[in-house]
Amino acid sequence: NAGVTQTPKFRVLKTGQSMTLLCAQDMNHEYMYWYRQDPGMGLRLIHYSVGEGTTAKGEVPDGYNVSRLKKQNFLLGLESAAPSQTSVYFCAIYSLNTGELFFGEGSRLTVL
Amino acid sequence: RKEVEQDPGPFNVPEGATVAFNCTYSNSASQSFFWYRQDCRKEPKLLMSVYSSGNEDGRFTAQLNRASQYISLLIRDSKLSDSATYLCVVNVYNFNKFYFGSGTKLNVKP
Repeated sequence: NAGVTQTPKFRVLKTGQSMTLLCAQDMNHEYMYWYRQDPGMGLRLIHYSVGEGTTAKGEVPDGYNVSRLKKQNFLLGLESAAPSQTSVYFCAIYSLNTGELFFGEGSRLTVL
Repeated sequence: RKEVEQDPGPFNVPEGATVAFNCTYSNSASQSFFWYRQDCRKEPKLLMSVYSSGNEDGRFTAQLNRASQYISLLIRDSKLSDSATYLCVVNVYNFNKFYFGSGTKLNVKP
């Protein structure tokens, strides 16, 4: 996975609970992204970051918060989980050298 | 309107067949284009970039038509191992935001 690690891989939450997904990279890339993938919808961008200390909203940011306190880590938080947030979440980094997105293995989240 | 649209398939083809997928994009300012492959319950991985002049990588050929805003992927001599979902990806040059199609599923049968 070219050095992109997501934790946890699986999680089941109850409605209203909070949790944080961690994306860690070991490649020193500036750009990091959080996507969610739902059946028939493709990957949709939640939030992204163009460098340490910066974040920006993507297509579907509502209900999520992010932080990039360290260059290597991009955290995705759900403050009050809802069943509509049941999805597979992918973190990705962008290589300016190759123009390629590298993805983590994904995190499967179920909200009951 | 979706940024990127693809036929979801599935395309069911026998081994050795040639199969083609198309993808259309809505933003004429799109800068770069890709095909990614995603196996079941796995992360997407880059298959190939798509260049204006068209490009080939072994059995795979990608083409771009900027005037009509579509991208195509041709797979020749299909293998069982080609069974996967193929994602069309477009980069609109704005902090490198990538937009994904919902994917086209390919099943290659013996």
